[in-house]
Amino acid sequence: DTGVSQNPRHKITKRGQNVTFRCDPISEHNRLYWYRQTLGQGPEFLTYFQNEAQLEKSRLLSDRFSAERPKGSFSTLEIQRTEQGDSAMYLCASSLPGANYGYTFGSGTRLTVV
Amino acid sequence: QKEVEQNSGPLSVPEGAIASLNCTYSDRGSQSFFWYRQYSGKSPELIMSIYSNGDKEDGRFTAQLNKASQYVSLLIRDSQPSDSATYLCAVAPYNQGGKLIFGQGTELSVKP
Repeated sequence: DTGVSQNPRHKITKRGQNVTFRCDPISEHNRLYWYRQTLGQGPEFLTYFQNEAQLEKSRLLSDRFSAERPKGSFSTLEIQRTEQGDSAMYLCASSLPGANYGYTFGSGTRLTVV
Repeated sequence: QKEVEQNSGPLSVPEGAIASLNCTYSDRGSQSFFWYRQYSGKSPELIMSIYSNGDKEDGRFTAQLNKASQYVSLLIRDSQPSDSATYLCAVAPYNQGGKLIFGQGTELSVKP
């Protein structure tokens, strides 16, 4: 078990470009979550999957954001037409199903939009 | 009202003292409560979970839950400089599939 893996660790992109991040969860975990964290704030929920099904997407999430988990294993988060306000740490986490299991987070992808 | 609120700090304590971190939540039906530690530039790390009213101890850490008051706390005994980090409170609201809502975090600084 190598934990939750996220790639890339850092991404610098120009405003208006599209970016895609990848998350590989712990293999036994069928729940996968995406969060966004800005400096001085706690992680903000974006979306989550159980197996390949996307069960919830934050109402605050722009249509420019999309996530997939095509085979119930790894997941990708794409941001289209990036804006400077998208600059943040994007965290992926996985867990077993149910409310009693805490998450294991990946190392995150730090996005800087210039 | 935010769903999960924490004192933003920073909280500064001398080495060897008890650090007390507090968290309140708005969803009365919330089921599970977690404390994460986050070092600067790193991702959050789970340190404690609690589900029932009362205290839960793990080494130098004690989590306390009072559902009637919608209050969770984390006590760190014999604080060490290595405990200096941001502590995040996370709550699983009722019937939301285990999704966690995080507070904004409390920064703790332990002075040698």
